[in-house]
Amino acid sequence: QKEVEQDPGPLSVPEGAIVSLNCTYSNSAFQYFMWYRQYSRKGPELLMYTYSSGNKEDGRFTAQVDKSSKYISLFIRDSQPSDSATYLCAMSGRYGGATNKLIFGTGTLLAVQP
Amino acid sequence: GAGVSQSPSNKVTEKGKDVELRCDPISGHTALYWYRQSLGQGLEFLIYFQGNSAPDKSGLPSDRFSAERTGGSVSTLTIQRTQQEDSAVYLCASSPTTGGADTQYFGPGTRLTVL
Repeated sequence: QKEVEQDPGPLSVPEGAIVSLNCTYSNSAFQYFMWYRQYSRKGPELLMYTYSSGNKEDGRFTAQVDKSSKYISLFIRDSQPSDSATYLCAMSGRYGGATNKLIFGTGTLLAVQP
Repeated sequence: GAGVSQSPSNKVTEKGKDVELRCDPISGHTALYWYRQSLGQGLEFLIYFQGNSAPDKSGLPSDRFSAERTGGSVSTLTIQRTQQEDSAVYLCASSPTTGGADTQYFGPGTRLTVL
């Protein structure tokens, strides 16, 4: 079993829809939770970063972390065709060596149809 | 300012050949990471450099893989005797801090194809 599980999709929604993306994880040592967006043939770019449990909002994006359930979510409101990309969840905790190495989900491919 | 740059952007090589991939991190960033992204596999951690500390090589898949970081800046990932399963996108990231969870800034990656 992978440490981080993410539905690969693809997920296709109409423009303006609310998008919900999710990841589950098994390692209770994870403390930092991130969502990256990756356009085709580009490197991932950080969208949202959350420490421990709770919600964080940034414009049309809301990240939620539920550590008790080991479940994180990213919501995109009023989705736009420009949001079409692969969304990767990533997590890190404290390790003996690379403190901040990120453990990634496989990514969810999102297509927002105009 | 300039982001993380990687070269080459694409590399096609024959099985058994050695390849070198280069990463130029953001100036002043002390931490540097290499990841590998294979189709359907997500990003896989390879190696981590932090300042003058010994690198964390725990993610390197075999002894054919090695990396160095010269002068705390540019890094080179070397794959010896390449195999077809080494085909992937190799991503480099850098970050400015050592505590907590650094924000990692990724380069565009090098797409390696081993024939």
